Amino acid sequence: AQSVTQLGSHVSVSEGALVLLRCNYSSSVPPYLFWYVQYPNQGLQLLLKYTSAATLVKGINGFEAEFKKSETSFHLTKPSAHMSDAAEYFCAVTYTGGFKTIFGAGTRLFVKA
Amino acid sequence: EAGVTQSPTHLIKTRGQQATLRCSPISGHTSVYWYQQALGLGLQFLLWYDEGEERNRGNFPPRFSGRQFPNYSSELNVNALELEDSALYLCASSMPGQGRYEQYFGPGTRLTVT
Repeated sequence: AQSVTQLGSHVSVSEGALVLLRCNYSSSVPPYLFWYVQYPNQGLQLLLKYTSAATLVKGINGFEAEFKKSETSFHLTKPSAHMSDAAEYFCAVTYTGGFKTIFGAGTRLFVKA
Repeated sequence: EAGVTQSPTHLIKTRGQQATLRCSPISGHTSVYWYQQALGLGLQFLLWYDEGEERNRGNFPPRFSGRQFPNYSSELNVNALELEDSALYLCASSMPGQGRYEQYFGPGTRLTVT
């Protein structure tokens, strides 16, 4: 079955530290990959997307993600965390068959001062 | 450019009643998607509408239904409400063709069933 796994439901980092949020997917064909951010009581905002072009994708707010086919991973990183990055982050995979999008369970990022 | 809009923002219903949630996509977008975000369960895909037709459906009972109107706006109806239907319902829209893979989300409707 197709699935998306986000390792760690909660991640805590200090302000200025590296942010690393992990995402692995199961797929027999190259999918489209996305990272979304959700602030409290709001909808989801697209951070970045991979659509079979460059494997290193740069997004908004200084985030980037690298697609590694051999590892079926699409981890999200940011060199230096800001307090405003505290939110929930979702990895999502869209498969061309049926255009169905599957979301990971989400990772809540806490940023300590 | 206006984003995806949803109404109402909050909806309170009692068990057994029906709820109707509305979504207006971004101008030019022809696909609308509905998701349920219940506490502790993440985002679950509900329905996908494209050009007025239901194209795909998630693993939800038939009392969850909807439709897409000629102007591409959409309604989600939930009949015979149960307590576990309490959740944030998110609507997303996307462009036709290759743009279909990128979804833009609305702020959601918070449904509370008492």
